[in-house]
Amino acid sequence: GAGVSQSPSNKVTEKGKDVELRCDPISGHTALYWYRQSLGQGLEFLIYFQGNSAPDKSGLPSDRFSAERTGGSVSTLTIQRTQQEDSAVYLCASSSGAGEQFFGPGTRLTVL
Amino acid sequence: GDSVTQMEGPVTLSEEAFLTINCTYTATGYPSLFWYVQYPGEGLQLLLKATKADDKGSNKGFEATYRKETTSFHLEKGSVQVSDSAVYFCALEAGTALIFGKGTTLSVSS
Repeated sequence: GAGVSQSPSNKVTEKGKDVELRCDPISGHTALYWYRQSLGQGLEFLIYFQGNSAPDKSGLPSDRFSAERTGGSVSTLTIQRTQQEDSAVYLCASSSGAGEQFFGPGTRLTVL
Repeated sequence: GDSVTQMEGPVTLSEEAFLTINCTYTATGYPSLFWYVQYPGEGLQLLLKATKADDKGSNKGFEATYRKETTSFHLEKGSVQVSDSAVYFCALEAGTALIFGKGTTLSVSS
């Protein structure tokens, strides 16, 4: 079946603008994760959704970052008032609870 | 807090050479350990995993053994191929998320 998909694949924006990144997890997967991959910091956990439970937001770097998951499926990561240090590849992953995490191809965000 | 340290790259090898990529971890308890691989232009893929001490994960000729006494999970392959060129990430499961090392770039030439 289809894997995790993310859109857009690339996003260039100007400093101060808001951006929305989308993730479509594997059908039936109850858990969804967002990570950020940047040159200086490697791969960092951002946020985790599991079913209808409250999300684990412990990895979000600032209150400019937020995420939601609608209907237990698609998720949107929103970054408000983007800064240059937000430039990174944003990765989404999904899993069936405690199973293997399957990663999407990522969205490369460039903030000018 | 929990953390993963892996050897800095890049690692450059000739085809059929032996590969070792070192990985050590710091964690409370005994988390599951993973190696992920990112081929050029592709997403992260699980390469292998081990869920408890002395477990050996293996896949595609790669192996790693969960060593509790040395808190290590080194990745090895006896004979690398050009197609193994990629970035390799060691990771541990910390609660709900994965904590990754910074990645090691492997370049194999023919």
